[in-house]
Amino acid sequence: EPEVTQTPSHQVTQMGQEVILRCVPISNHLYFYWYRQILGQKVEFLVSFYNNEISEKSEIFDDQFSVERPDGSNFTLKIRSTKLEDSAMYFCASKEDTGGYEQYFGPGTRLTVT
Amino acid sequence: DQQVKQNSPSLSVQEGRISILNCDYTNSMFDYFLWYKKYPAEGPTFLISISSIKDKNEDGRFTVFLNKSAKHLSLHIVPSQPGDSAVYFCAAETGNQFYFGTGTSLTVIP
Repeated sequence: EPEVTQTPSHQVTQMGQEVILRCVPISNHLYFYWYRQILGQKVEFLVSFYNNEISEKSEIFDDQFSVERPDGSNFTLKIRSTKLEDSAMYFCASKEDTGGYEQYFGPGTRLTVT
Repeated sequence: DQQVKQNSPSLSVQEGRISILNCDYTNSMFDYFLWYKKYPAEGPTFLISISSIKDKNEDGRFTVFLNKSAKHLSLHIVPSQPGDSAVYFCAAETGNQFYFGTGTSLTVIP
């Protein structure tokens, strides 16, 4: 069964460093998403991406964040200068088309900023 | 900005009985509602959804009810099984943006 994959599973970085979280969505999906979940809190929407551009983003997704689909398979989230409060689980998700709302989530990347 | 709320952080149910998980929302523009199940160290898994134009959707042991006037939805699991033990998130969609609740941890006791 096709699945969304994410790498790395755990990333430790120092405050101020740049990190890139990688996702490989399901191949025939057209919509891509990033979410984060701070420990003990709700899953929060960050950004949605369609047709090689951002379609929606939340207030959390400020200038420190960027997304890219550098090739036909990868979908990346970059945090330019990490802060302690960026420590969270980051989930990538993909969705087939506008006709359906079912998103398939990856297993997540745990980002720890020290 | 808590547009989707799950007021019960946890719920324990005996195996075979009904589990009812509740969710409230504030935004009347939500078009679609979804329930996700999440095990530790895994991403959320889609469970069941309902359009805002419907009031009930059923899939096997899972039924979602939507009460638009009360801005309330619920997930019923009948009969509950130990493998259902997980965190359940409700989510709502508008304009391709999804809002999640804080989750309810369900424990099904054998």
